[in-house]
Amino acid sequence: EAQVTQNPRYLITVTGKKLTVTCSQNMNHEYMSWYRQDPGLGLRQIYYSMNVEVTDKGDVPEGYKVSRKEKRNFPLILESPSPNQTSLYFCASSFNRGRYGYTFGSGTRLTVV
Amino acid sequence: KQEVTQIPAALSVPEGENLVLNCSFTDSAIYNLQWFRQDPGKGLTSLLLIQSSQREQTSGRLNASLDKSSGRSTLYIAASQPGDSATYLCAVKVSNFGNEKLTFGTGTRLTIIP
Repeated sequence: EAQVTQNPRYLITVTGKKLTVTCSQNMNHEYMSWYRQDPGLGLRQIYYSMNVEVTDKGDVPEGYKVSRKEKRNFPLILESPSPNQTSLYFCASSFNRGRYGYTFGSGTRLTVV
Repeated sequence: KQEVTQIPAALSVPEGENLVLNCSFTDSAIYNLQWFRQDPGKGLTSLLLIQSSQREQTSGRLNASLDKSSGRSTLYIAASQPGDSATYLCAVKVSNFGNEKLTFGTGTRLTIIP
């Protein structure tokens, strides 16, 4: 089944403890991206990757890092999480610059205390 | 800067009724527009994708229209069912070059009353 898989689905952590949210897609998509969803603000893009070793900032990149060493994987790294990064995170991928739409993962609910 | 608005933020209708959800965007130079549904605590499920050259797309009881010149899209749901209760999001993709991001509206939370 074609899908985007995120792990974990739920995560509670403490301020300052580094964490990684994984994202993997099995559709050979070249484009991958991370969004966060907050009440009243909708989904906002954090980082994106056009292909392996090509990444760039989205609208809200502060406090996040990404890497794209393999085409299928695009992990989101929070080096020192803070409570304002408590949010619902989504990974997305697409083929041919989104011509056929985007596929989203099931989301990761992160709580930073 | 592209802005996407969905009004109303919430809508309740009795089961069986037809309904229309609205999406408006400020920059008409879009590449395509995608409608998603989001169930509580769940991910985004793609419903329909409309390319900028298309006027509408249909899937089952769903029909999405696009009017680029007026910056509007509608999602029509026929014969609504309780299982249609969810939040509906529209998202536009502005260009085919550079950052391939989607700009989302904040959604319409739909409740179908049995």
